[in-house]
Amino acid sequence: GENVEQHPSTLSVQEGDSAVIKCTYSDSASNYFPWYKQELGKRPQLIIDIRSNVGEKKDQRIAVTLNKTAKHFSLHITETQPEDSAVYFCAASDTGRRALTFGSGTRLQVQP
Amino acid sequence: DGGITQSPKYLFRKEGQNVTLSCEQNLNHDAMYWYRQDPGQGLRLIYYSQIVNDFQKGDIAEGYSVSREKKESFPLTVTSAQKNPTAFYLCASSTQGAGGTEAFFGQGTRLTVV
Repeated sequence: GENVEQHPSTLSVQEGDSAVIKCTYSDSASNYFPWYKQELGKRPQLIIDIRSNVGEKKDQRIAVTLNKTAKHFSLHITETQPEDSAVYFCAASDTGRRALTFGSGTRLQVQP
Repeated sequence: DGGITQSPKYLFRKEGQNVTLSCEQNLNHDAMYWYRQDPGQGLRLIYYSQIVNDFQKGDIAEGYSVSREKKESFPLTVTSAQKNPTAFYLCASSTQGAGGTEAFFGQGTRLTVV
């Protein structure tokens, strides 16, 4: 089955700096790669996603890149703000099981 | 108010007891999922269902059971065979398509063994 690895597990940046979180996946059949943000005690919420026929997608301060050959994808957050502090999860979905496999999460702390 | 609702928010289980977590959605989604979340381990898939009256084991199904008798409902039973059930349980749903689609999550149930 699919295996998703996520790095780093914790990330601390100064307000206004950029943050990058990286994930790798194992199943070449995976074709959908969402990123979720989870605040303490809350449900995960989708912030951006990308499909396998696209190399990059951007939404305001957030962007995701996908390298299918290397089987890795990354989340980029620019001009970070304190409200960006949360746990971020990457995930991958394959056409067989049609269920998301999640990475282990990255705790992002934005220092004011 | 459309969405996915889990109940209860907090649940306490005694040793050897079975408990059932409720998950209801009114999004008209075909697919539903149960995930378990432990600190530092992300979300792990317990069971999933892509259609009524059908479900499959995920990566950590041992000690759990589910049913999918209605499209809107996907309850999870944590049995006494699950030796370490203390965790945060998340239910999710999504539409079906040729590829993956966004999963919408409930607010979660925090289960504690007492």
